[in-house]
Amino acid sequence: GEDVEQSLFLSVREGDSSVINCTYTDSSSTYLYWYKQEPGAGLQLLTYIFSNMDMKQDQRLTVLLNKKDKHLSLRIADTQTGDSAIYFCAESRKNRDDKIIFGKGTRLHILP
Amino acid sequence: SAVISQKPSRDICQRGTSLTIQCQVDSQVTMMFWYRQQPGQSLTLIATANQGSEATYESGFVIDKFPISRPNLTFSTLTVSNMSPEDSSIYLCSVVGTVSYEQYFGPGTRLTVT
Repeated sequence: GEDVEQSLFLSVREGDSSVINCTYTDSSSTYLYWYKQEPGAGLQLLTYIFSNMDMKQDQRLTVLLNKKDKHLSLRIADTQTGDSAIYFCAESRKNRDDKIIFGKGTRLHILP
Repeated sequence: SAVISQKPSRDICQRGTSLTIQCQVDSQVTMMFWYRQQPGQSLTLIATANQGSEATYESGFVIDKFPISRPNLTFSTLTVSNMSPEDSSIYLCSVVGTVSYEQYFGPGTRLTVT
């Protein structure tokens, strides 16, 4: 199957770290992505990771991939009010013509 | 990254009419995709549009309802035909950048059908 699962909501206090989790079922996934969608806006490619990597860090963002468990996470350090958005986990395979399968999105709510 | 624009950004249309959405990219790209995001939902791929060939539709989407044009490497249109309220969604254009695994999205077209 081609399922990408993620929890729907996450509340985090400003300044804390946010960890958004995602699981996928396709073991042949090649690329895994995190997209951010702010209210009324399109999708912004935040970061991505190849399936042969375990971790990728980009400023406040850290992506961890556990390929054995098919588990992907996005950690946002020092969460700020501007991080409030929906975060979509997604995966693609080269032999699927680059089609991306999206999860349902996790709505990150920042508490003051 | 690719810069993608869509027109219109939003529209309110009457049942039974059709709307054509335009997608313009600032660079030549081989692969373009059209997605739909229904209210409160995730993204669903409608079709893949490659220049010089017929669009490839995903299960549940047909050419008569969502005809697509891809006249060149920087432009595509998606038409939503004979609209009903169930077609109320955000429609997003997407392209694969020069680096093949980076896929970028346009700002979307918010369609409301009354």
